[in-house]
Amino acid sequence: AQSVTQPDIHITVSEGASLELRCNYSYGATPYLFWYVQSPGQGLQLLLKYFSGDTLVQGIKGFEAEFKRSQSSFNLRKPSVHWSDAAEYFCAVGISTQGGSEKLVFGKGTKLTVNP
Amino acid sequence: NAGVMQNPRHLVRRRGQEARLRCSPMKGHSHVYWYRQLPEEGLKFMVYLQKENIIDESGMPKERFSAEFPKEGPSILRIQQVVRGDSAAYFCASSPNVATEQYFGPGTRLTVT
Repeated sequence: AQSVTQPDIHITVSEGASLELRCNYSYGATPYLFWYVQSPGQGLQLLLKYFSGDTLVQGIKGFEAEFKRSQSSFNLRKPSVHWSDAAEYFCAVGISTQGGSEKLVFGKGTKLTVNP
Repeated sequence: NAGVMQNPRHLVRRRGQEARLRCSPMKGHSHVYWYRQLPEEGLKFMVYLQKENIIDESGMPKERFSAEFPKEGPSILRIQQVVRGDSAAYFCASSPNVATEQYFGPGTRLTVT
């Protein structure tokens, strides 16, 4: 079955430090991969996506992610974290079925705390 | 270009009442998805609709839940005879085509008392 694992439930970093959030997926076909960010009480904002091509993708707010097929990973990175990056981050894989269905399967999220 | 709109943002219902959640997709988007976010469980897919058609409802509970996306008007997620376990945040997303990114609304937070 398709699944997404985010091993870190909670990460704390200092402002200005680098960040890497881990994501591993299980999916038999070529995956569509996404990272979303959710602030408390808000909806999900798309940070970046991977469909094909260059395995290093750039997103909004200075985030990037690298797709590694051999490791079934799609880790999110940022070189210097800002206090406003404190939020919950969700990795997702897009699932397509022969019946024409489309859906996202999400990891359980990583909550990021940024210390001043 | 307005984003995905959901209303109400907060909804309180007593056990046994009905809850109706509305979602207006982004302009030009004809694909709508509903997800539920339960504490400790993360976001789970419920249903995928195109105009006037339910494409995949494999994530919907078998009873009390239904969804529609009529030719005119918003998509509706309807929960009949709500129970405490239905308390959650319900998110709608839309996309212009299949196999593209989904854009999420702000969600409806349902509380069942």
